[in-house]
Amino acid sequence: NAGVMQNPRHLVRRRGQEARLRCSPMKGHSHVYWYRQLPEEGLKFMVYLQKENIIDESGMPKERFSAEFPKEGPSILRIQQVVRGDSAAYFCASSPRDATYEQYFGPGTRLTVT
Amino acid sequence: DAKTTQPPSMDCAEGRAANLPCNHSTISGNEYVYWYRQIHSQGPQYIIHGLKNNETNEMASLIITEDRKSSTLILPHATLRDTAVYYCIVLKSGGSNYKLTFGKGTLLTVNP
Repeated sequence: NAGVMQNPRHLVRRRGQEARLRCSPMKGHSHVYWYRQLPEEGLKFMVYLQKENIIDESGMPKERFSAEFPKEGPSILRIQQVVRGDSAAYFCASSPRDATYEQYFGPGTRLTVT
Repeated sequence: DAKTTQPPSMDCAEGRAANLPCNHSTISGNEYVYWYRQIHSQGPQYIIHGLKNNETNEMASLIITEDRKSSTLILPHATLRDTAVYYCIVLKSGGSNYKLTFGKGTLLTVNP
């Protein structure tokens, strides 16, 4: 059973460009969570999605960040007009049922903004 | 959520048991103790959780003291691949049961 897949694993963007991070949950999981880990800092919750629904985006910056989890295909975290402060590791996790702390994480996407 | 205190680092010999302590003296009755770990450059990995009884799974055992103010995660036969940062988190049941926030954790280094 394949785990959570994230791609790309490493992404380099210049300031002002867009970054698209993809997450395919584990088979049978319909709940997806995105987290950000800044250098030398802990993991911080960003958003919780179910298929076609955003359940909780309280951890998302108000501007430039958006997330979706369409009926078909992976979940996408989109960052528009990236700035240096967006450089971080972005982790996606999935779970088979809702509102649980038992989450299965992907390997992360390391975003570097130059 | 209750605050936890963990030592910043520990060492363990390969093949020996690794015992990682966690203090959570302000834990309340409806809060669970969860353990995750993060191997360098990888995503966090769920290990185990418990409320008041000791728990065991294929990865580890969790021993919670009777007063619930502290707990110990035990890796019975540590291997080099168990080198990671281990996070002890106390989380409420009910409400937003999904927001994980990790602090500093304990860096466990398993030595050959």
